[in-house]
Amino acid sequence: AQKVTQAQTEISVVEKEDVTLDCVYETRDTTYYLFWYKQPPSGELVFLIRRNSFDEQNEISGRYSWNFQKSTSSFNFTITASQVVDSAVYFCALSDQGAQKLVFGQGTRLTINP
Amino acid sequence: KAGVTQTPRYLIKTRGQQVTLSCSPISGHRSVSWYQQTPGQGLQFLFEYFSETQRNKGNFPGRFSGRQFSNSRSEMNVSTLELGDSALYLCASSSQYGMGTQEGTDTQYFGPGTRLTVL
Repeated sequence: AQKVTQAQTEISVVEKEDVTLDCVYETRDTTYYLFWYKQPPSGELVFLIRRNSFDEQNEISGRYSWNFQKSTSSFNFTITASQVVDSAVYFCALSDQGAQKLVFGQGTRLTINP
Repeated sequence: KAGVTQTPRYLIKTRGQQVTLSCSPISGHRSVSWYQQTPGQGLQFLFEYFSETQRNKGNFPGRFSGRQFSNSRSEMNVSTLELGDSALYLCASSSQYGMGTQEGTDTQYFGPGTRLTVL
C-alpha cells in the first residue's frame, strides 16, 4: 500500500529564515509521481510541483526548491528566505502511474512570523 | 482558463438528510476526482470519474456516490448524513490526454471546496 509521511505537524519560523518540509513515501510501484500542494486558509489546494519517479533532478523555482532522493524515499521541500505569505498547510502526495488517486501526507502547518 | 469550480461553497444539513455537491472541471479536462478532508483523517480519496464512468473508488460506504455528465461536470451525493460526514469536500480535475506522456498532463488541479456541516 502507498503511504506518505510528513513527520513535522507544525513549523514556526521568523520571516527570512530558510525552512525545509520533510516528506517520506512508501510504494511498491516502480513508476509513480510525487506532488506538493499548498493549502492557504481559503481551503483550496494549490499545485506547486510534480516529480516523476524516473526523474531525480532537483528543482528550483524562485525561493522554492525540491530535493528528490529515491534511495531514501524522500521528497523534501525547502523555502528560502521565507515570507509571511508562505504561511499555509503544505501537503506532500503520491500517486501511481494512472495519477488519478492521490495519497496525501497529514500535512505540515507552516507559520511565518514577521 | 477558469479553474475548477465547486458549488455550493458552504452547506449546513441535519443528520439523516442527503446532500448533492457539484463540480465543474477546468475546460478540456475529462477526469474528475473527489476528496474528503477532515481534521482527524486528513485528505482521503473518494472516487474518480472519466468519460462518465467511475474508474477508481476509495474506502467509503455506499452512502457516498457520484456521477459525471457528458460535459465532464460531476456531482457527488451523500445520503443519510451522519455527524462524521462534516468535512471539506474537494474536487480536482485533470486532462488525462497523455496519461503521463506529457509533463503536467496528469496533475490534479483542485477547486475551492465545499464545506459541509452536519448538525
